[in-house]
Amino acid sequence: DTGVSQDPRHKITKRGQNVTFRCDPISEHNRLYWYRQTLGQGPEFLTYFQNEAQLEKSRLLSDRFSAERPKGSFSTLEIQRTEQGDSAMYLCASSSSGGRSNEQFFGPGTRLTVL
Amino acid sequence: GESVGLHLPTLSVQEGDNSIINCAYSNSASDYFIWYKQESGKGPQFIIDIRSNMDKRQGQRVTVLLNKTVKHLSLQIAATQPGDSAVYFCAENIGNAGGTSYGKLTFGQGTILTVHP
Repeated sequence: DTGVSQDPRHKITKRGQNVTFRCDPISEHNRLYWYRQTLGQGPEFLTYFQNEAQLEKSRLLSDRFSAERPKGSFSTLEIQRTEQGDSAMYLCASSSSGGRSNEQFFGPGTRLTVL
Repeated sequence: GESVGLHLPTLSVQEGDNSIINCAYSNSASDYFIWYKQESGKGPQFIIDIRSNMDKRQGQRVTVLLNKTVKHLSLQIAATQPGDSAVYFCAENIGNAGGTSYGKLTFGQGTILTVHP
């Protein structure tokens, strides 16, 4: 499978704990995005990388959230001191800046539950 | 402000009927629009896209119509099948000041499509 992969698929944690999610984009894609989706809502943009550079962060991304893409390939999203309001599906997507369009390919997501 | 919304949160159709899902957007600077399909427990799946210099684009059983005058987008699915049952999202991409789009998408709330056999 050469699509976007995310790990883990599910994470249950207690409030106050730190969690880290990983995203592996499609190998030739230089752009990587993180979105958050709550039940019944569309995905909300969190942050965007082009290669290893983080070019934009949403206001939704509080200082407890940090994302990295150190080698311009996989990315990690860390949430520190988790809160119940962080419970959501965290989606990763990738795209190619050289493509015809900005079609973003999404991974299956990591569902976070904060108890 | 930037917003993308859907007129109908749920749509129920019979197998074989045509389905039309509507979407309104408010940012006239949007230059690219995408329809995604999302099944339960999965990430959004690309269906079809359209650029702002077009008003219609057809794919396999799907057609997207763009009316920039009234800032309206629609997805038409022909001969709807039970496998089409899912949540459908429209999303818009707003170009940056340099005229190129980096792909940040703003999604609408979604329409639940249910296809009855």
